[in-house]
Amino acid sequence: GAGVSQSPSNKVTEKGKDVELRCDPISGHTALYWYRQSLGQGLEFLIYFQGNSAPDKSGLPSDRFSAERTGGSVSTLTIQRTQQEDSAVYLCASSSGINSPLHFGNGTRLTVT
Amino acid sequence: QQQVKQSPQSLIVQKGGISIINCAYENTAFDYFPWYQQFPGKGPALLIAIRPDVSEKKEGRFTISFNKSAKQFSLHIMDSQPGDSATYFCAARPGDKIIFGKGTRLHILP
Repeated sequence: GAGVSQSPSNKVTEKGKDVELRCDPISGHTALYWYRQSLGQGLEFLIYFQGNSAPDKSGLPSDRFSAERTGGSVSTLTIQRTQQEDSAVYLCASSSGINSPLHFGNGTRLTVT
Repeated sequence: QQQVKQSPQSLIVQKGGISIINCAYENTAFDYFPWYQQFPGKGPALLIAIRPDVSEKKEGRFTISFNKSAKQFSLHIMDSQPGDSATYFCAARPGDKIIFGKGTRLHILP
């Protein structure tokens, strides 16, 4: 079946612009996670959704970052007024429950020039 | 305390050798310890996982050793193959989220 789908796969934007990154989780998966992967920094937790609610937003780096999930399915991560330090690969993962493994998409590579 | 410390950062192993990657944690509330494998351009994928009531788990050539008292766990890859060349992440679960180590880039020499 279809895995986690992320779009776009690559995004180049100018400093100061807003960007939206999209994640389509595996159908039926109730949990959805966003992570950021920077060179040498591993996978940095950003936010977690259970259904449409975000019980844990503790990883969002600043108020320029926000995320929403609608219909218990698609999620959008928005970065406002992008900065060069936002350049990274943004990974989305979904899971059928907290005791189940995470299934990752292939990520969106964001480059801020 | 919400950290998982992983070492080494990079590792080179001869084909057929044993690859060993180590992780340490501080928070005793962590209750699930997975390892993920990531190939270039792809998202990480679950390789093997262990819970703290077990000291060892083996799946094929991959083994997790878990030392609860030392708060350490490690991944052993036996008979390492060039196809195992990838980045490996240890992880732990506090509550509903998974936190990851910084990763180990493994290269298996043919």
